[in-house]
Amino acid sequence: GAGVSQSPRYKVAKRGQDVALRCDPISGHVSLFWYQQALGQGPEFLTYFQNEAQLDKSGLPSDRFFAERPEGSVSTLKIQRTQQEDSAVYLCASSLSSGSGKSRANVLTFGAGSRLTVL
Amino acid sequence: AQTVTQSQPEMSVQEAETVTLSCTYDTSENNYYLFWYKQPPSRQMILVIRQEAYKQQNATENRFSVNFQKAAKSFSLKISDSQLGDTAMYFCAFKAPYNNNDMRFGAGTRLTVKP
Repeated sequence: GAGVSQSPRYKVAKRGQDVALRCDPISGHVSLFWYQQALGQGPEFLTYFQNEAQLDKSGLPSDRFFAERPEGSVSTLKIQRTQQEDSAVYLCASSLSSGSGKSRANVLTFGAGSRLTVL
Repeated sequence: AQTVTQSQPEMSVQEAETVTLSCTYDTSENNYYLFWYKQPPSRQMILVIRQEAYKQQNATENRFSVNFQKAAKSFSLKISDSQLGDTAMYFCAFKAPYNNNDMRFGAGTRLTVKP
């Protein structure tokens, strides 16, 4: 597609529920990133994929968070047994590049995010 | 580790005036990339401008320009002829060139353009 698409835009979950957030990156983009953005804060890195390989998951806050990108395009971020502190906007971004290089290749294109509210 | 600091949580400017948003960062790297992203209420992060650290010339994109001071590790954004549509959160971001997943964002500056 023309941009990065995320769904749902809004999700309200009861504490303890599992949620799944979807990201459809720009076609052909090798790299895919998930960020967590708490209210009034900048995005914080969660995890990074290069094609289908999850190369870095150091930002995932706990083992309740799981991300996958099985075919190297669409990615799903799953949060199990949601807690109130998981409430945030979850941003997905993609880029054409797989690593260092010209600056254009390092530009991230973001989706509009999924706002998760855990009650 | 790299850190990005935006010391102005909120700013306001009159329409058609000029405003400067501050950003400082900390790194031991010599080569890196700096970005300003805009996040309107729609939440979509939009790239405003980018700068490669090895380039001495300040980047410019229409009404947006930066003042990049490498020695001072400062990367401010100047918005000229401010428009109502410029109202948004603005995030400064740092990225090391060798590590594709290492992009750090500041806490943001909320800019309001007043009519």
